[in-house]
Amino acid sequence: EDKVVQSPLSLVVHEGDTVTLNCSYEVTNFRSLLWYKQEKKAPTFLFMLTSSGIEKKSGRLSSILDKKELFSILNITATQTGDSAIYLCAAYNFNKFYFGSGTKLNVKP
Amino acid sequence: DAGVIQSPRHEVTEMGQEVTLRCKPISGHDYLFWYRQTMMRGLELLIYFNNNVPIDDSGMPEDRFSAKMPNASFSTLKIQPSEPRDSAVYFCASSPQPGPIEVNTEAFFGQGTRLTVV
Repeated sequence: EDKVVQSPLSLVVHEGDTVTLNCSYEVTNFRSLLWYKQEKKAPTFLFMLTSSGIEKKSGRLSSILDKKELFSILNITATQTGDSAIYLCAAYNFNKFYFGSGTKLNVKP
Repeated sequence: DAGVIQSPRHEVTEMGQEVTLRCKPISGHDYLFWYRQTMMRGLELLIYFNNNVPIDDSGMPEDRFSAKMPNASFSTLKIQPSEPRDSAVYFCASSPQPGPIEVNTEAFFGQGTRLTVV
């Protein structure tokens, strides 16, 4: 059965901390791994990863994909309260997206 | 373009009632997706359409759920009869292709309909 598993399910940190969110996948004919940030509305796109070992960065956020070990991580450095959200990862296999259940991040002042 | 538009934003209904959720995709997008999000199961794909034709409805949980796309600018997701376990946020998304596009997906997902069945 195709699936995506995220960990941890929830995380509480203080501003300035660095966090690492994990996403493992088992998806037939895997093509791409996507990360989304969801606040009190629809998910917003962060990264799409297709190649293994190539880090993508956007400000304090970065992500990398390991297609051999079937996982991806999302790093957030110097966290801010505005980073509080649910972070979703999704695996795409030319047919459909498979979403994980998300990691709920709470950044305290 | 205003993006994907869903209505209503919130719906509270009694068990047994019929519920209809509506979606207007982005003009020119040939693919439309219906997702359901719950705390327990995360974001699940229910059904998707290509050029108004249902392609994969394997995620539709039961016969109580049905979806239609009568034209390129409108889709509905209907639950009849509704049950408390149907309570969730239902997202509609549209895309010019079936796969991911590396753009800001505020233009990809609608704002969702929060359904509460009591």
